[in-house]
Amino acid sequence: ELKVEQNPLFLSMQEGKNYTIYCNYSTTSDRLYWYRQDPGKSLESLFVLLSNGAVKQEGRLMASLDTKARLSTLHITAAVHDLSATYFCAGDDKLIFGTGTRLQVFP
Amino acid sequence: NAGVTQTPKFQVLKTGQSMTLQCAQDMNHEYMSWYRQDPGMGLRLIHYSVGAGITDQGEVPNGYNVSRSTTEDFPLRLLSAAPSQTSVYFCASRSTGAYGYTFGSGTRLTVV
Repeated sequence: ELKVEQNPLFLSMQEGKNYTIYCNYSTTSDRLYWYRQDPGKSLESLFVLLSNGAVKQEGRLMASLDTKARLSTLHITAAVHDLSATYFCAGDDKLIFGTGTRLQVFP
Repeated sequence: NAGVTQTPKFQVLKTGQSMTLQCAQDMNHEYMSWYRQDPGMGLRLIHYSVGAGITDQGEVPNGYNVSRSTTEDFPLRLLSAAPSQTSVYFCASRSTGAYGYTFGSGTRLTVV
């Protein structure tokens, strides 16, 4: 059964700085998802990664997938306050979620 | 095109009561899933379905039943509510040929 772990669980960043969220998973997964959730809201799809070496970018966020290492990363470039949210990774076609990373960006 | 619709948005139940959380999608998606989200935690899969008449258990199925008589609807039943089922419940769907899931807005359930 797939297990998904994220770290860090909480991340406080200064605006303009770069940082990376890590997502490790336990068994083979043919896809890896990243979602964003604002407080009290539903989930918003950010990226779907389908193959080893896949890299996708949207604005200040870039996600990558290394299936051999069973690792996905979400890289934040030059953080801004609007990126403050909780970020989840999930694997498998049934969506097994990690515990999430709560990101706070401060001036 | 309404997407994934969940009703009700809020519900308070007494321990031992039963109820059904509704989930409907109008996108002709084959896959549908139910998740619960507890405070400060990720989403955990309760049940999922790959098509009408086909359902299977997820990570935390105890205390919940599902059925999938149509492609559009995937109701979640709580047979005898317990305080441990206090949570926010999300329904999601996707089509077979696509990879992204669409989520409903959630149902906030409190069991007292």
